[in-house]
Amino acid sequence: GAVVSQHPSWVICKSGTSVKIECRSLDFQATTMFWYRQFPKQSLMLMATSNEGSKATYEQGVEKDKFLINHASLTLSTLTVTSAHPEDSSFYICSAEPGLAGHNEQFFGPGTRLTVL
Amino acid sequence: QKEVEQDPGPLSVPEGAIVSLNCTYSNSAFQYFMWYRQYSRKGPELLMYTYSSGNKEDGRFTAQVDKSSKYISLFIRDSQPSDSATYLCAMRARGGKLIFGQGTELSVKP
Repeated sequence: GAVVSQHPSWVICKSGTSVKIECRSLDFQATTMFWYRQFPKQSLMLMATSNEGSKATYEQGVEKDKFLINHASLTLSTLTVTSAHPEDSSFYICSAEPGLAGHNEQFFGPGTRLTVL
Repeated sequence: QKEVEQDPGPLSVPEGAIVSLNCTYSNSAFQYFMWYRQYSRKGPELLMYTYSSGNKEDGRFTAQVDKSSKYISLFIRDSQPSDSATYLCAMRARGGKLIFGQGTELSVKP
């Protein structure tokens, strides 16, 4: 149980294009989903917290207009990197919380590697 | 000072060794403690989740929490080459966001 999937697992795009990454909780409903970014040999950096049906909360320094987050249902959140540039190349990972009382774990997706040429 | 400190390693041990991984923290509001394992180019996998001081065992893994010292540990018994990965501690306060340690890179040599 507690499986989170991401699609695509890797993507290469040209500078200036937009890329959408999907995050799905497969066997539970996730009231809250999170988006992280990870650079090589570094820990995860929280970008934003997404609650179903409401606007995402972004961490300081993360551009809302560049990283658009939509949490349309209890099992799906999407991250769109708009007008991507080479510096946006990174490993993007989502996580989801079951939202049940007493459960504070986060379960992570397998990650999406984005390369912007 | 970072809220969570973790020795990044790398840590190299022979197969069969007992591995000890540690994190210290400064925020006394942290109540939930997790250990994740991350293989290269993969997402973190939840290994252990605890919310009280003391030990919790799951197979070859034991998680230990000492809230009075603000110190958590993960022990791996009979380590295997397949345990080679980066281990991340993470913790959070009630209603707070998850704060990660830097991660310790572990290599278990056959």
